[in-house]
Amino acid sequence: DTAVSQTPKYLVTQMGNDKSIKCEQNLGHDTMYWYKQDSKKFLKIMFSYNNKELIINETVPNRFSPKSPDKAHLNLHINSLELGDSAVYFCASSRGTGPNQPQHFGDGTRLSIL
Amino acid sequence: GESVGLHLPTLSVQEGDNSIINCAYSNSASDYFIWYKQESGKGPQFIIDIRSNMDKRQGQRVTVLLNKTVKHLSLQIAATQPGDSAVYFCATGGDSSYKLIFGSGTRLLVRP
Repeated sequence: DTAVSQTPKYLVTQMGNDKSIKCEQNLGHDTMYWYKQDSKKFLKIMFSYNNKELIINETVPNRFSPKSPDKAHLNLHINSLELGDSAVYFCASSRGTGPNQPQHFGDGTRLSIL
Repeated sequence: GESVGLHLPTLSVQEGDNSIINCAYSNSASDYFIWYKQESGKGPQFIIDIRSNMDKRQGQRVTVLLNKTVKHLSLQIAATQPGDSAVYFCATGGDSSYKLIFGSGTRLLVRP
């Protein structure tokens, strides 16, 4: 009965490859997010979708492309992976975009670039 | 720009004592504040939140205090237990509440 689930949990790949991370939430939430957490534990938002529409797009290289096929899914595709992409990527969801909307996080995907 | 900072990167407390984790924020327009707990290998887990029209909110063994005058937020954990060992993040709702700005985290270590 996992609320926000991400796959894979670990991803080890070579520089230059293309990879995808998937996220699904079963909370019935309308809004989903992708965050990047660096080695110092700093969490930074990358993207947010509300009802499948992009509402937040931070300064992220265009090698990163999110896709939301429906409200319950938000996937992240990364092209031409670079060493600096190594991090833990968290998916999150919230009921909506209004105030008092805590975000619920998945357990992360640890991406390691060789 | 907006920033959220923490006063101490690591806090070590004796089991059974109370813990206080502090957080400073810079954006006076912030109106939503939230604390998360992150255990090793897990995602951040919601603990408690507070709106700017309140200065105190209590949960189970946790209390969040908000001082808007000095832009300071704290999380108090009563009777700290080994299971409380984790990294704690504060986050603020900036221009839009759904966009959270996270602090850098405080690691709480509970000594038996």
